[in-house]
Amino acid sequence: EAGVTQSPTHLIKTRGQQATLRCSPISGHTSVYWYQQALGLGLQFLLWYDEGEERNRGNFPPRFSGRQFPNYSSELNVNALELEDSALYLCATREAGDSGNTIYFGEGSWLTVV
Amino acid sequence: DAKTTQPPSMDCAEGRAANLPCNHSTISGNEYVYWYRQIHSQGPQYIIHGLKNNETNEMASLIITEDRKSSTLILPHATLRDTAVYYCIVRPRASNYQLIWGAGTKLIIKP
Repeated sequence: EAGVTQSPTHLIKTRGQQATLRCSPISGHTSVYWYQQALGLGLQFLLWYDEGEERNRGNFPPRFSGRQFPNYSSELNVNALELEDSALYLCATREAGDSGNTIYFGEGSWLTVV
Repeated sequence: DAKTTQPPSMDCAEGRAANLPCNHSTISGNEYVYWYRQIHSQGPQYIIHGLKNNETNEMASLIITEDRKSSTLILPHATLRDTAVYYCIVRPRASNYQLIWGAGTKLIIKP
């Protein structure tokens, strides 16, 4: 069974540009979570999508946004990129309902802003 | 959500059992203890979780104290590939999974 897949693996952008990161969940998983991990630091919660809707967001500015598609895949968009946005962006997914006790992570997308 | 406290780093000899402690003294009755590990900035890998009882799977064992204020992750026969940062996380049962991640424990397995 395929795990959580993320693309691209690496992305280099210049300050002020926009970045789009993508996540495909494990089959049967309907919830998608996005996390940011700056180099050497812990994971910071960004966004949670479930059944196509944004359910919650972390303490990040509005230029961090995303969406979830009918097939439950998700995009994370970062507008007006700043140097401090350089980080590993991780997507995690879980099953729907009470049986979905565990979230599983993809390998992440490295975003470098220069 | 309850916070966790872990030692910043630990060493273990290859082939020996690695015992990673975690304190979660403010844990509530409906909160699970989860363990993940992250190998050199790859995506975190799920290891094990538990509520009250001790748990074991093919990767590790989780020992939770009777008062649930601390737990220990045991890797029974550590290999060099177990070198990673190990995160202990407490999650409410009906959580939306906005897991609060601490700094974890950097486990170094030495040959």
